[in-house]
Amino acid sequence: AQKVTQAQTEISVVEKEDVTLDCVYETRDTTYYLFWYKQPPSGELVFLIRRNSFDEQNEISGRYSWNFQKSTSSFNFTITASQVVDSAVYFCALSEQGAQKLVFGQGTRLTINP
Amino acid sequence: GAVVSQHPSRVICKSGTSVKIECRSLDFQATTMFWYRQFPKQSLMLMATSNEGSKATYEQGVEKDKFLINHASLTLSTLTVTSAHPEDSSFYICSARNGVTGELFFGEGSRLTVL
Repeated sequence: AQKVTQAQTEISVVEKEDVTLDCVYETRDTTYYLFWYKQPPSGELVFLIRRNSFDEQNEISGRYSWNFQKSTSSFNFTITASQVVDSAVYFCALSEQGAQKLVFGQGTRLTINP
Repeated sequence: GAVVSQHPSRVICKSGTSVKIECRSLDFQATTMFWYRQFPKQSLMLMATSNEGSKATYEQGVEKDKFLINHASLTLSTLTVTSAHPEDSSFYICSARNGVTGELFFGEGSRLTVL
C-alpha cells in the first residue's frame, strides 16, 4: 500500500529564513511519481513539481529546491530566503504507476512571519 | 489560466437537499477524473475515480448512493451530494488527467456548506 507522511504539521519561520518541509513515502512499486503542491488560503492546489522514481537528481527552481533520496524514501522540499507569500499548506503526494490516483500526505502548514 | 474548472466554487444548501458540482476540463479530453474531499485543516482524501462512459470506482468507506458521480463526456464529470447533511460540509476538489499527455490538473475546488 502507498503512504505519504509529512511529520511536520506546522512550521513558522521569520521571513528570509530557509525552511525545509519533510516528506517520507512508502510504496511497493519500483515505478512511481512524487509531487509537491501548494494550497494557499483560497484553496486551489498549485502544482510545484513532479518527479519520477528513476530520476534522483535534485531540482532547483528559483527559491525552491527538492531533494529526492530513494535510499531513505524521502522527497524533501526547501524554500530558500522565504517570503510571506510562501505562507500556505504544502502537500506531498505519491502516485504509483498505473494507479493514476494521488495519495496525499497530511500537509504542512507553513507560516512566514514578516 | 485554469485548465480544469469547477462550478460552483461555493454553495450553501439546506439539509436534505441535493447539490451538484461540475468539473470540466477546458482544453483537453479527460478520460479519467478524480474527486477528493478535504475537511478543514486536513488532507485531501480520494473519494472516487471517474472514467468516461463507465461507473465510478469508489474508495472504501465512501457511499456511492450518497455521492453520485457521472462522467458522461470526456470533458465533464459531476458529483452530486444527495440528501446533504451538515457533516457533508467540506471542500470538494476534482482533478482531471489529460488522456493524451497523462498530465494531471486540479480544479479550483468547491466549498459546500450544509445548514
